[in-house]
Amino acid sequence: AQKVTQAQTEISVVEKEDVTLDCVYETRDTTYYLFWYKQPPSGELVFLIRRNSFDEQNEISGRYSWNFQKSTSSFNFTITASQVVDSAVYFCALSQPYNAGNMLTFGGGTRLMVKP
Amino acid sequence: EAQVTQNPRYLITVTGKKLTVTCSQNMNHEYMSWYRQDPGLGLRQIYYSMNVEVTDKGDVPEGYKVSRKEKRNFPLILESPSPNQTSLYFCASSPTGVSNQPQHFGDGTRLSIL
Repeated sequence: AQKVTQAQTEISVVEKEDVTLDCVYETRDTTYYLFWYKQPPSGELVFLIRRNSFDEQNEISGRYSWNFQKSTSSFNFTITASQVVDSAVYFCALSQPYNAGNMLTFGGGTRLMVKP
Repeated sequence: EAQVTQNPRYLITVTGKKLTVTCSQNMNHEYMSWYRQDPGLGLRQIYYSMNVEVTDKGDVPEGYKVSRKEKRNFPLILESPSPNQTSLYFCASSPTGVSNQPQHFGDGTRLSIL
C-alpha cells in the first residue's frame, strides 16, 4: 500500500524567510508520480508540479523549488523569500500506474502562514 | 476557460434528505473522480470514472453513488446523508486515467449534514 506523510501540520514564517515543506512517501512500486498541490484560503486546489520516479532532477520555478530524493523517499518543496500570498495549505500526493482508478494518495497537508 | 465546475459551493442540510452535487468539465476529459477532504486526512477518493458509463469505487465509497451518462458530467449522489458525510468535496478530471496526468480540481463543495 502507498502512503504519503507530511509531518508538519502547520508552519508559520515571516515574509521573506525561506521555508521548506517536507513530504515523505511509501510505495512498493518502482514507477510512480509525485505531485504538489496548493490550496489557498479560497479553497480551490491548484496543481504545482509533477515528478516522475525515474527523474531525480530537482526543479526550480521562480521562488519555488523541489528536491526529489529516492534514497530517502522524500519530495520536499522549498519557497524562497516567502510572501503573504504563499499562505495556503500545501498537499503532497502520490499516484502509481497500477492503482485502480488513478487514485491520488494525499498527505494530510501542511498549512503555511506567512506573516507580513 | 478550461474548468471543472461544481454546484452548489455550500450546502447545509439535514440527515436523510437526498442531495446531489453536480460536477461538469469543459475539457473533453475522459477521466473524472470525486474526493472528500477532512482535516488531517488530506483528500480521499470516493468514486472515479474512466469514461462514459464506466464508474468504480475509490477508497471511501460507502454512502455515495455516482453516474456518468455524459462525458462532461459526473454527479455525486448522497441518497441518505448522515453527519459523518459532513466534509469538503472535490471533483477532478484529467484527459485519461493515466496516472502521470495531473488532475484538475473544481473549487470544492462544502457540505454540512445536521
